[in-house]
Amino acid sequence: EAEVAQSPRYKITEKSQAVAFWCDPISGHATLYWYRQILGQGPELLVQFQDESVVDDSQLPKDRFSAERLKGVDSTLKIQPAELGDSAMYLCASSYGLRGTGELFFGEGSRLTVL
Amino acid sequence: DAKTTQPTSMDCAEGRAANLPCNHSTISGNEYVYWYRQIHSQGPQYIIHGLKNNETNEMASLIITEDRKSSTLILPHATLRDTAVYYCIVRPPLNTNAGKSTFGDGTTLTVKP
Repeated sequence: EAEVAQSPRYKITEKSQAVAFWCDPISGHATLYWYRQILGQGPELLVQFQDESVVDDSQLPKDRFSAERLKGVDSTLKIQPAELGDSAMYLCASSYGLRGTGELFFGEGSRLTVL
Repeated sequence: DAKTTQPTSMDCAEGRAANLPCNHSTISGNEYVYWYRQIHSQGPQYIIHGLKNNETNEMASLIITEDRKSSTLILPHATLRDTAVYYCIVRPPLNTNAGKSTFGDGTTLTVKP
């Protein structure tokens, strides 16, 4: 069964350092999402792509976070500089988008710890 | 996006049916109800979705009230592996770029032996 791939699975960094997460969605999925999940809370949407275009980044802290999906396939989420409050699970999800029925398929996530 | 309200936690005995409620009183006529679950340290997993009719698949059943203001996810024979956080979400119509799945804090279901 096709899966959403994410890496790294775990990342420990010091505050003020840069960190990047990579996501490869299920083949053919036009819509890609990055969520942040703080321990004990539900996932919070950071950014949504439709193909290579950003559809919603209203909750993305743009002073330190950036996301790209240059060829409309895989995507990278970057944080620079990292802060202590960024410690969380970063989840990538994909869906068929306009051709689909709306369900999201999630990766295993990248757990970030900022020291 | 319509907001949902779920109980914080629930227990269920192994082998019994688990009934997880969700209130979505502000749901719009064309919004769908989706359910996901998240087992510890994994990404959320899609379970089922529906608009107004009851739905069933190999994982669960979804019962939506006639006024669509609430729904219940039913796991007919809960196992220990069903212990997870269950999220109820309502979202705008399918096949639209405006669709956004907004997660609340969900219900932590604990299945006990």
